[in-house]
Amino acid sequence: LAKTTQPISMDSYEGQEVNITCSHNNIATNDYITWYQQFPSQGPRFIIQGYKTKVTNEVASLFIPADRKSSTLSLPRVSLSDTAVYYCLVGDGGSGGYQKVTFGTGTKLQVIP
Amino acid sequence: DAGVTQSPTHLIKTRGQHVTLRCSPISGHKSVSWYQQVLGQGPQFIFQYYEKEERGRGNFPDRFSARQFPNYSSELNVNALLLGDSALYLCASSLESDRGKPTGANVLTFGAGSRLTVL
Repeated sequence: LAKTTQPISMDSYEGQEVNITCSHNNIATNDYITWYQQFPSQGPRFIIQGYKTKVTNEVASLFIPADRKSSTLSLPRVSLSDTAVYYCLVGDGGSGGYQKVTFGTGTKLQVIP
Repeated sequence: DAGVTQSPTHLIKTRGQHVTLRCSPISGHKSVSWYQQVLGQGPQFIFQYYEKEERGRGNFPDRFSARQFPNYSSELNVNALLLGDSALYLCASSLESDRGKPTGANVLTFGAGSRLTVL
């Protein structure tokens, strides 16, 4: 199983860029890296996904080094509404497209006014 | 399009009872998976179903079971409830789960969850 390690919590002021790094040392060749955001009492919401190098969408960027043993989620100019828990997921190995993904404990981001 | 819908949103049961939770995936999504989220922790994988076939099972006792119907909706059943089963139960659907496709590439869309309290 590809286990992930993230900081438990982070604080940031509004308007700043936030970078959350996730370690996944035993990522498998076919595994993608996916980030989700979760607000209290809601289901996680997809943010971004990548396999290697850099991916950018309208809400975030994902940086993945060549060895793929870590990844960094970058949130530009955070606002109070970005206060949430952020999860880094790596597909749980094997073949056949199984969805046995593993959520870690996530990173609780607190945005301060 | 409606998102993933789950019912009931909240329920209270007593120890020893059983519970059935329901999930309707996004239209066109054939894969449904279930997760248990205890307060303060990340979601833990319970089951995944695709085309009515169980594709994956997490480390949960046999008291937990699930099934998927021809319309791709799904039920999660938990028997002989324990206090420790109190949690938010999340259902997620995804577009496909093809064999040979890199794992983790299927984006999950989650419902709002069913909050189960066992007294």
